[in-house]
Amino acid sequence: DAKTTQPNSMESNEEEPVHLPCNHSTISGTDYIHWYRQLPSQGPEYVIHGLTSNVNNRMASLAIAEDRKSSTLILHRATLRDAAVYYCILMFSGGYNKLIFGAGTRLAVHP
Amino acid sequence: EAGVAQSPRYKIIEKRQSVAFWCNPISGHATLYWYQQILGQGPKLLIQFQNNGVVDDSQLPKDRFSAERLKGVDSTLKIQPAKLEDSAVYLCASSLYANNEKLFFGSGTQLSVL
Repeated sequence: DAKTTQPNSMESNEEEPVHLPCNHSTISGTDYIHWYRQLPSQGPEYVIHGLTSNVNNRMASLAIAEDRKSSTLILHRATLRDAAVYYCILMFSGGYNKLIFGAGTRLAVHP
Repeated sequence: EAGVAQSPRYKIIEKRQSVAFWCNPISGHATLYWYQQILGQGPKLLIQFQNNGVVDDSQLPKDRFSAERLKGVDSTLKIQPAKLEDSAVYLCASSLYANNEKLFFGSGTQLSVL
């Protein structure tokens, strides 16, 4: 399984944008980039995913580098509720997919 | 829509005892996963079912862990006998299909082995 590298922790202030980076230099052409987050005492929840083009949804935006070796999850206006561990995961698009989690980035949001 | 249901929420047992966790996935979801999350780490996949068949159990410690998915719906994960290092949160997840569908997770069962 292809690996991802994320910073251990990041901090942000409330109502400011947050850019969470992820490096995945060994990504293959069939790997999708998925982001999940885990709030305290809860199971992970899906945030967003993409293959090549940038993606937007109500929760966040995903910016994917042209060579696909890195990506950035963008929270446009952080709230206290966005404090969580964010996981960047590569998922093979064929066959039986599975999520292989790394350690993720712990995001702290300050009032 | 109703989410993934898990029970119990918490369980405390002594080492060498047995324990079972139950999971009810989202209705219609064909794929079911069990993950183990040790404190401070990301979740680790233990086993993946497609309907009632196992498609990946490579990380399941089969000498003490077992899992089944009855009629392709509910699932149980059992540990017998438990060890101290089994203390963790056990998460169940489901997805509509197996191919690149997003996963929905339950809140997990927190197991403490004393």
